[in-house]
Amino acid sequence: DQQVKQNSPSLSVQEGRISILNCDYTNSMFDYFLWYKKYPAEGPTFLISISSIKDKNEDGRFTVFLNKSAKHLSLHIVPSQPGDSAVYFCAASWGGSEKLVFGKGMKLTVNP
Amino acid sequence: DTAVSQTPKYLVTQMGNDKSIKCEQNLGHDTMYWYKQDSKKFLKIMFSYNNKELIINETVPNRFSPKSPDKAHLNLHINSLELGDSAVYFCASSQDRTSGPSTDTQYFGPGTRLTVL
Repeated sequence: DQQVKQNSPSLSVQEGRISILNCDYTNSMFDYFLWYKKYPAEGPTFLISISSIKDKNEDGRFTVFLNKSAKHLSLHIVPSQPGDSAVYFCAASWGGSEKLVFGKGMKLTVNP
Repeated sequence: DTAVSQTPKYLVTQMGNDKSIKCEQNLGHDTMYWYKQDSKKFLKIMFSYNNKELIINETVPNRFSPKSPDKAHLNLHINSLELGDSAVYFCASSQDRTSGPSTDTQYFGPGTRLTVL
């Protein structure tokens, strides 16, 4: 059972435009959400996170929005850059647990 | 200076063999993890150790045995390898949370691609 879902396997956008990556979850116990970015042949690297007490967290070009009622979060990247091309994983945890539940990832391609 | 390193990067072996994957972190973290990314690309936690003590043990066959000689190392030993064990295995580490509800950031190694023939 997939508790964290990234239903779109890929997204292609033009450089300078906004990239919106979506993630849905089913477990209402989740209270902390993270986005990881992964380049080929490398491990995932932490990008940004959000606690369930917030609905938005911003870090430079990256903003994560959380809609708890819809059990949905999204990652906005603006402006998108070719170096952002990677696989993005959504992850969730609860109760301060170290156990992260990951989605299957979404490949973002930013075209010059 | 690699923060979390794994060896080997690639491992090809026959069914039935026993193999080990090593992981080392130089971040001074207290918690280390093993994840498996299968052919469907899901990244799933297998184990976590905190200061050499097993904390998380997901439903993993007992052919998989993590070993932590010290808090900077968490090795994964796999007995009697099966075709379904083919995957990419990632090691990760994090610092202990001191307070608050958030989960500590996990730093991942580059992965070990295991292929069982």
